[in-house]
Amino acid sequence: EIVLTQSPGTLSLSPGESATLSCRATQTVTNTYLAWYQQKPGRAPRLLIFGASRRATGIPDRFSGSGSGTGFTLTISRLEPEDFAMYYCQQYGDLPGAFGQGTNVEIK
Amino acid sequence: QGQLVQSGPEVQKPGASLKVSCKASGFTFRNYYINWVRQAPGQGLEWVGWITPYNGNRNYAPKFQGRVTLTTDTSTSTAYMELKRLKSDDTAVYYCARPMNYGEPSDAFDIWGQGTMVSVSS
Repeated sequence: EIVLTQSPGTLSLSPGESATLSCRATQTVTNTYLAWYQQKPGRAPRLLIFGASRRATGIPDRFSGSGSGTGFTLTISRLEPEDFAMYYCQQYGDLPGAFGQGTNVEIK
Repeated sequence: QGQLVQSGPEVQKPGASLKVSCKASGFTFRNYYINWVRQAPGQGLEWVGWITPYNGNRNYAPKFQGRVTLTTDTSTSTAYMELKRLKSDDTAVYYCARPMNYGEPSDAFDIWGQGTMVSVSS
């Protein structure tokens, strides 16, 4: 079973700055089947990135994903006020599907 | 584009059972696996299992085996999750979610239900 570890747990930044979120897997993620989600309080997660680097429909280009194997990164350039939220990575290449524990991007 | 609408909040006692529904619209229900994911208060996301309406095949996360049953009703495009022998740590928001690609059980989830809050307390 693949376990995903996200870091840091909390990222305190100001609007306009860039955010770099990390997701590390205990085993190679098959076919780079790695997704990133944004979640705001009381809301369902929203898909941002799939296949490690492909933006989902309607996602602004300030969100970008990279990585392969066991290490993946979500970068948010020029943080907008609506970007402050929780972010989760998910691997879907092997069963059981797994999520990371999340990174909270908060306003500094 | 598609939508999943879930049933309302539930309050149950330990040992009881509950059944949450997830009604699909805007896409061909039979073609897509439906996954269930839960989130305990203040915690992360946890995959529960998936089912395909096409033939009823299902797969459960090991920790839920024996307590969870996923079903579908293709006549109403509705998926169901039944959880038995409830415990206090089953208190969570339960989401249904649709994978991006039809015919794929495990995939990135591009459509989510709004979530159903389940509270288990004596």
